[in-house]
Amino acid sequence: DTGVSQDPRHKITKRGQNVTFRCDPISEHNRLYWYRQTLGQGPEFLTYFQNEAQLEKSRLLSDRFSAERPKGSFSTLEIQRTEQGDSAMYLCASSLPGTGGDGYTFGSGTRLTVV
Amino acid sequence: AQTVTQSQPEMSVQEAETVTLSCTYDTSESDYYLFWYKQPPSRQMILVIRQEAYKQQNATENRFSVNFQKAAKSFSLKISDSQLGDAAMYFCACTQGGSEKLVFGKGTKLTVNP
Repeated sequence: DTGVSQDPRHKITKRGQNVTFRCDPISEHNRLYWYRQTLGQGPEFLTYFQNEAQLEKSRLLSDRFSAERPKGSFSTLEIQRTEQGDSAMYLCASSLPGTGGDGYTFGSGTRLTVV
Repeated sequence: AQTVTQSQPEMSVQEAETVTLSCTYDTSESDYYLFWYKQPPSRQMILVIRQEAYKQQNATENRFSVNFQKAAKSFSLKISDSQLGDAAMYFCACTQGGSEKLVFGKGTKLTVNP
């Protein structure tokens, strides 16, 4: 297993366009998380899946954001009608439940720039 | 709301010396986990050390150790024999809720001088 993979690594888009990011977690991890990290800040939680079920969403996740995890494997995060304020690093992480974060593994992130 | 505070935006240390990074947190939960993550310019978040709140013994990982003061809600990271490769952003984090999502501090940028 090569860890948590995220694609693409970089995305530049024009304001108003839609973008979609993909995360492939570690295969045996049934928990998957999305975080957003802006420059000079720590990551902020966006949403959480256990298997295919989206169990928690942050207030940061506006109506323009949607996340899916079909079949409990990879996950996608879509941002519709992008705004300049969406420019950030989007990090995905996966873990096993009930381990207190043991094995919590992050991907390298997708850096989004909205111009 | 749960918060994690890192009061040192930047720290520097001489190679081979010891440095301590500070972190305080606020949680109402009785069972939680604390972490220090390292984020180099390559941006991958790398786990440095993990502490289980119900364990009184401070965690250690080679040159990295923590000073966990549960009553004071303090969780500092000590790096001994600092190496050039230790230079990075360091984030303190705490789990929250049954999802075990992480709440992060704003980070401390560590510079290691040769």
